[in-house]
Amino acid sequence: EAGVAQSPRYKIIEKRQSVAFWCNPISGHATLYWYQQILGQGPKLLIQFQNNGVVDDSQLPKDRFSAERLKGVDSTLKIQPAKLEDSAVYLCASSGMGQSGDTQYFGPGTRLTVL
Amino acid sequence: AQKVTQAQTEISVVEKEDVTLDCVYETRDTTYYLFWYKQPPSGELVFLIRRNSFDEQNEISGRYSWNFQKSTSSFNFTITASQVVDSAVYFCALSEARGYSTLTFGKGTMLLVSP
Repeated sequence: EAGVAQSPRYKIIEKRQSVAFWCNPISGHATLYWYQQILGQGPKLLIQFQNNGVVDDSQLPKDRFSAERLKGVDSTLKIQPAKLEDSAVYLCASSGMGQSGDTQYFGPGTRLTVL
Repeated sequence: AQKVTQAQTEISVVEKEDVTLDCVYETRDTTYYLFWYKQPPSGELVFLIRRNSFDEQNEISGRYSWNFQKSTSSFNFTITASQVVDSAVYFCALSEARGYSTLTFGKGTMLLVSP
């Protein structure tokens, strides 16, 4: 069974530019998560989708970050404009139904460097 | 609010030594789930174990074992006869039973196993 796919793996941009990340979850998983992991810290949830609806985006900086999951399968996370402090690894994860205690499976992540 | 503390920032051992990674959690819920993930240098978070709050049995999987003690709110992870391939950052995480499966991660413990 294929795991969670993410692209690109690495991205370097200048501050104030825009960037987009793509994620394809494990087949059949209804719930998709985007996390931000800053160096030396644990992942922090940015947004959680259940099918194509948002169930938690309380920690998403909505003035510059946006995410969508239009058909309830793959998802895109966008940053516009990027700031230096956005340099981090962006992890995508998926789980079966998003119920409490569901195991989340993670993709390889996208390492973003903002110069 | 839920919280996970991994007090050990970095541990260095020599191959074949046993090592224990500590995890202490805080939650007001009586039903919750605890997880351990491994993050090798490649960056992907690899699921290791999931334990619910009603199951206090210790678990062993090969060289890995987990000690769950509700009385001290701890969920410690022991690697027996460590190997170089065990070098990674290990994260403990907590998910409460209410609502969706939001994971709260600790800051991680970096394990360095030298030959």
